[in-house]
Amino acid sequence: AQSVTQPDIHITVSEGASLELRCNYSYGATPYLFWYVQSPGQGLQLLLKYFSGDTLVQGIKGFEAEFKRSQSSFNLRKPSVHWSDAAEYFCAVRNQGAQKLVFGQGTRLTINP
Amino acid sequence: GAGVSQTPSNKVTEKGKYVELRCDPISGHTALYWYRQSLGQGPEFLIYFQGTGAADDSGLPNDRFFAVRPEGSVSTLKIQRTERGDSAVYLCASSFRAVTDTQYFGPGTRLTVL
Repeated sequence: AQSVTQPDIHITVSEGASLELRCNYSYGATPYLFWYVQSPGQGLQLLLKYFSGDTLVQGIKGFEAEFKRSQSSFNLRKPSVHWSDAAEYFCAVRNQGAQKLVFGQGTRLTINP
Repeated sequence: GAGVSQTPSNKVTEKGKYVELRCDPISGHTALYWYRQSLGQGPEFLIYFQGTGAADDSGLPNDRFFAVRPEGSVSTLKIQRTERGDSAVYLCASSFRAVTDTQYFGPGTRLTVL
């Protein structure tokens, strides 16, 4: 069965520092890949998605992610974090033939001032 | 425009009771999804509707859980004989079509079973 692993449960970075959140998936074929962000009391908001084509994907709020087929990874990056980026981040995959999203367990991001 | 709305935002009930959770999708969205998010976990898929019909209900944990979407818009998730293990945030999402469109999530209903 497909699965998504986010190895880091909690990450703390200083404001202005760079960020990389890891995501690995287990899948038989190239799935559709997503990163969502969840702030307290808010719904999940889509940051970016990869379906095909260029493996470096740009998203909202200055985030980007790179799909690496050889590593089954889809890591999220941001060159300089802001205090408002503190939230829970979820990586998700979807089989090209199915509709449901399969989520990782999430990475909680804390920003130090 | 208005996003996905869910009511109530919080629901506290006693073990054994029946509850209904409502989802109002974005206008015009034909696909609707229910997910459940337990504490410290990512959301888990429950059921997906395309129009009025449940196209995939493989995530419903047992027959105490049921969902309807009679007119192809609003959906209700129904849980019978609630158990403490049902406590979670129930998330609803909708998309314009199901194939490649983004799923837009509502704020969720936090269900607590005492």
